[in-house]
Amino acid sequence: QKEVEQNSGPLSVPEGAIASLNCTYSDRGSQSFFWYRQYSGKSPELIMFIYSNGDKEDGRFTAQLNKASQYVSLLIRDSQPSDSATYLCAVNSLTTDSWGKLQFGAGTQVVVTP
Amino acid sequence: EAQVTQNPRYLITVTGKKLTVTCSQNMNHEYMSWYRQDPGLGLRQIYYSMNVEVTDKGDVPEGYKVSRKEKRNFPLILESPSPNQTSLYFCASSLGTSVEQYFGPGTRLTVT
Repeated sequence: QKEVEQNSGPLSVPEGAIASLNCTYSDRGSQSFFWYRQYSGKSPELIMFIYSNGDKEDGRFTAQLNKASQYVSLLIRDSQPSDSATYLCAVNSLTTDSWGKLQFGAGTQVVVTP
Repeated sequence: EAQVTQNPRYLITVTGKKLTVTCSQNMNHEYMSWYRQDPGLGLRQIYYSMNVEVTDKGDVPEGYKVSRKEKRNFPLILESPSPNQTSLYFCASSLGTSVEQYFGPGTRLTVT
């Protein structure tokens, strides 16, 4: 069973601080990694994607990928109350038995406190 | 406006009464997928389709059917719904699994 795991939280972060979210995956054939943000009662929306080992920055968000250790993380700098949401990690694999599938973690709830 | 639409948005039904949730996208995407979301379990993929007439099972396909007769539409069929299918359902589309998924607004289904 291929899995994507995240800490469920809630992760409480003071406003202006850095929020650090982690995601581990079990399928070594995983190729593409995504972070989605989901507000309560709403649809997920893409925050970041990363394909290669290392860091990728977009505004206040940084995604980090380490394929050898099978984890991907998301850093949110200068956290704002509007960042309070659930963050979903998603992974796709190109192995034969997983072709076409996209697996999501259960999500980490982030609460930014003023 | 580029979008994924789902209907209905809310549905309360009884055990065993067949239902269909429609999904349509206007972005000419090849890949479409259905997910269910339950508390503590995240999004779980039910079925996906790589293109017209090409569908395959996700991680939780039991009790569901799909069809892909047209590129834009990907309906989810529950032929005999049961209470354990009470959930929030999302349809999504994209150019493939290696790029952004565009999600519909969700359908909240309650089976009594």
